[in-house]
Amino acid sequence: DGGITQSPKYLFRKEGQNVTLSCEQNLNHDAMYWYRQDPGQGLRLIYYSQIVNDFQKGDIAEGYSVSREKKESFPLTVTSAQKNPTAFYLCASSIGGFEDTQYFGPGTRLTVL
Amino acid sequence: GIQVEQSPPDLILQEGANSTLRCNFSDSVNNLQWFHQNPWGQLINLFYIPSGTKQNGRLSATTVATERYSLLYISSSQTTDSGVYFCAVNTGRRALTFGSGTRLQVQP
Repeated sequence: DGGITQSPKYLFRKEGQNVTLSCEQNLNHDAMYWYRQDPGQGLRLIYYSQIVNDFQKGDIAEGYSVSREKKESFPLTVTSAQKNPTAFYLCASSIGGFEDTQYFGPGTRLTVL
Repeated sequence: GIQVEQSPPDLILQEGANSTLRCNFSDSVNNLQWFHQNPWGQLINLFYIPSGTKQNGRLSATTVATERYSLLYISSSQTTDSGVYFCAVNTGRRALTFGSGTRLQVQP
């Protein structure tokens, strides 16, 4: 089945540690996105990539890093510089750019202990 | 940037009732999507509707681009319709901007 997978589903981190969230898609989509959702709020864009080996900062990129070495994969690293990393993280993809329909993965819930 | 406002913020319905959710936006848009976020957090794409009207089963949506609003209709609501409904828009080459959502609870 085609779709977007994220792992792990739940992640616990100690303060000061970097963690990497996985996002994989087999939809052959060019564009991929990372969003953050805080309780009771909408989604905010962290990073996006419209082509392999290229990515751009979104509205809240500070404390995060990404890579796009393969079309199918867009991992997000939450670094120790992120002041308040506890949140729900959602990955999405679309065929082309922002004008196209975005499809979302199931999300990763990150908790900093 | 573009502003997106959704109303009402919360809605409680009895099973079988109909409802209308509204999304207002402050600029012309290239993309408007409606999503349903289920209680487990998964966002399901309901409609891609920058203009016009679409229907899918008990759900339908209408976007009046010239007046900068979109409506999502839910008919004969079921408990499985519970969750949060988001409207998201983009203009030009900018990223999707999400509204803060309408939290729907359908009671049996």
